Amino acid sequence: AQSVTQLGSHVSVSEGALVLLRCNYSSSVPPYLFWYVQYPNQGLQLLLKYTTGATLVKGINGFEAEFKKSETSFHLTKPSAHMSDAAEYFCAVSGSGDDKIIFGKGTRLHILP
Amino acid sequence: GAGVSQSPSNKVTEKGKDVELRCDPISGHTALYWYRQSLGQGLEFLIYFQGNSAPDKSGLPSDRFSAERTGGSVSTLTIQRTQQEDSAVYLCASSLDSSNQPQHFGDGTRLSIL
Repeated sequence: AQSVTQLGSHVSVSEGALVLLRCNYSSSVPPYLFWYVQYPNQGLQLLLKYTTGATLVKGINGFEAEFKKSETSFHLTKPSAHMSDAAEYFCAVSGSGDDKIIFGKGTRLHILP
Repeated sequence: GAGVSQSPSNKVTEKGKDVELRCDPISGHTALYWYRQSLGQGLEFLIYFQGNSAPDKSGLPSDRFSAERTGGSVSTLTIQRTQQEDSAVYLCASSLDSSNQPQHFGDGTRLSIL
């Protein structure tokens, strides 16, 4: 079985500062890992995913995440925050086969001018 | 576009009424999920359909909730005898299969129970 923990339900950063959203997972099999973003009144959109191979994954809008097996983490980062990054971010994990995808509770990112 | 379509986008109904929410997944997607998102809460998994397998209903909060997926395509989530705590946004997502394929989400149905 898989589970996901997102640390911090709300994170505030200044415009231009580093964005770091934390995600730790638990999985009994090699995981597939995802980050999604949700803008107001919309569904979720995929930012990036890790399946196999390179552990540093680059996604859309300048975001990236690094899979660290030893730390069971998949933290999301962006070097310089932009006002348009204000949204809710969800980390998700799944296993192999027909395992369903499990989402974390989300982190709302606030960008301060 | 050929994205996931949900209808209605908004639904207001009186307590005790039944409601049906519809999801049209992307053509060819075998996996379909329903989630509930309440104010200030994360995504609550409700039910998962994968191909012709029996659905995973482990997330349905009570026997008032049910869902079906006809012909492996369109899905309907039904809530009977609605309660005020059912007020939430109901999101549908589909994917090519299940585990390593990303989900494509609809914009949701905002359900308000008066």
